[in-house]
Amino acid sequence: DVKVTQSSRYLVKRTGEKVFLECVQDMDHENMFWYRQDPGLGLRLIYFSYDVKMKEKGDIPEGYSVSREKKERFSLILESASTNQTSMYLCASSWDRFGARYPYEQYFGPGTRLTVT
Amino acid sequence: QKEVEQDPGPLSVPEGAIVSLNCTYSNSAFQYFMWYRQYSRKGPELLMYTYSSGNKEDGRFTAQVDKSSKYISLFIRDSQPSDSATYLCAMTGSQGGSEKLVFGKGTKLTVNP
Repeated sequence: DVKVTQSSRYLVKRTGEKVFLECVQDMDHENMFWYRQDPGLGLRLIYFSYDVKMKEKGDIPEGYSVSREKKERFSLILESASTNQTSMYLCASSWDRFGARYPYEQYFGPGTRLTVT
Repeated sequence: QKEVEQDPGPLSVPEGAIVSLNCTYSNSAFQYFMWYRQYSRKGPELLMYTYSSGNKEDGRFTAQVDKSSKYISLFIRDSQPSDSATYLCAMTGSQGGSEKLVFGKGTKLTVNP
């Protein structure tokens, strides 16, 4: 089974802190994604990566950065946490579309609920 | 106009009811259509997958795609309390081969015993 793990289920940070969210997948997927999920707004893509050291901005990249030094690991960084970044953060991964049974299928981790106070 | 529209509900039905969940979309280039199910405090997981138009059935679940109307549906027959979850539609296939999915906001379903 594909497994996507996230470093924390719950996290509480203070305004202005630098926050690291880690995601690891064990299926040698090329693509990795970071989303945030908020009531009434659904899933919104923050950043994604289609290869090691490659990154692309999603729909809401402001206030975030990412790092992908190894294929299996994708980190989301909040440079200076703010209260409007309180949210559920979901990591996902997928194969290159030519290598998947279902092209574009994404596998999600359990999420990190981040509260910024 | 948003690329994908999905009624957020909530939807509450009695056990055994037929449930219909729907999404509309605006991008005619979409070719791959998915339904994800997300239980409370969990990440979404793929439930149904359809390429292009037509129907696909898997047990009590049927996915329909009508590309002419830009409308997709998920039907759940004989709904069970274990079907209580948020259902998200997702789609992609726009030109350029992007690996990104465009998600609906999700419909929260409760099936009451």
